[in-house]
Amino acid sequence: DAGVIQSPRHEVTEMGQEVTLRCKPISGHDYLFWYRQTMMRGLELLIYFNNNVPIDDSGMPEDRFSAKMPNASFSTLKIQPSEPRDSAVYFCASTKTTGGYGEQFFGPGTRLTVL
Amino acid sequence: SQQGEEDPQALSIQEGENATMNCSYKTSINNLQWYRQNSGRGLVHLILIRSNEREKHSGRLRVTLDTSKKSSSLLITASRAADTASYFCATDAKEYGNKLVFGAGTILRVKS
Repeated sequence: DAGVIQSPRHEVTEMGQEVTLRCKPISGHDYLFWYRQTMMRGLELLIYFNNNVPIDDSGMPEDRFSAKMPNASFSTLKIQPSEPRDSAVYFCASTKTTGGYGEQFFGPGTRLTVL
Repeated sequence: SQQGEEDPQALSIQEGENATMNCSYKTSINNLQWYRQNSGRGLVHLILIRSNEREKHSGRLRVTLDTSKKSSSLLITASRAADTASYFCATDAKEYGNKLVFGAGTILRVKS
């Protein structure tokens, strides 16, 4: 298996622009997680899905952030409009374990820079 | 505040030495995991220890869990330059909705 795939790997955009991050989980995994990593706040869980349904989005910082999972093999995280404080590395992870608390498999991340 | 906190924040050792990292947490947990993150990469799962386990081994890794002290340690024996990375503990607890909560991490540098 190719592992969790994320695109793009790097994104540089200007404040106010829309940003869309993409993730393809490992085939057969039924949980998908979106994390954000910064030096100041560490690794934060933004939202997670089970069987394509959002279960907990309490970590989504603002209404500017939205996430979808239209099918089992694809998810997007959208920021509209983007702000400089959104600059971070965004990770997608997936797992198969019931309850979502087993080993998680992380993608390589998308490094977002908002100017 | 974070559920898990690692200690030390940074550690620098010579190749061949052992490295010990500690993690403390605040609430009762279901299990605790350790992850490694190489610079510019995603996290990689190392080992999972359940709340009813006290010690677990995987290759050069040894993890202990003391639920009475709400702490865990990760020991890497005979370290190698390739072990240079950040190491994170992650806990899942009913109080946190059974989501994984990561600590701030320990930066390990192994000098050759």
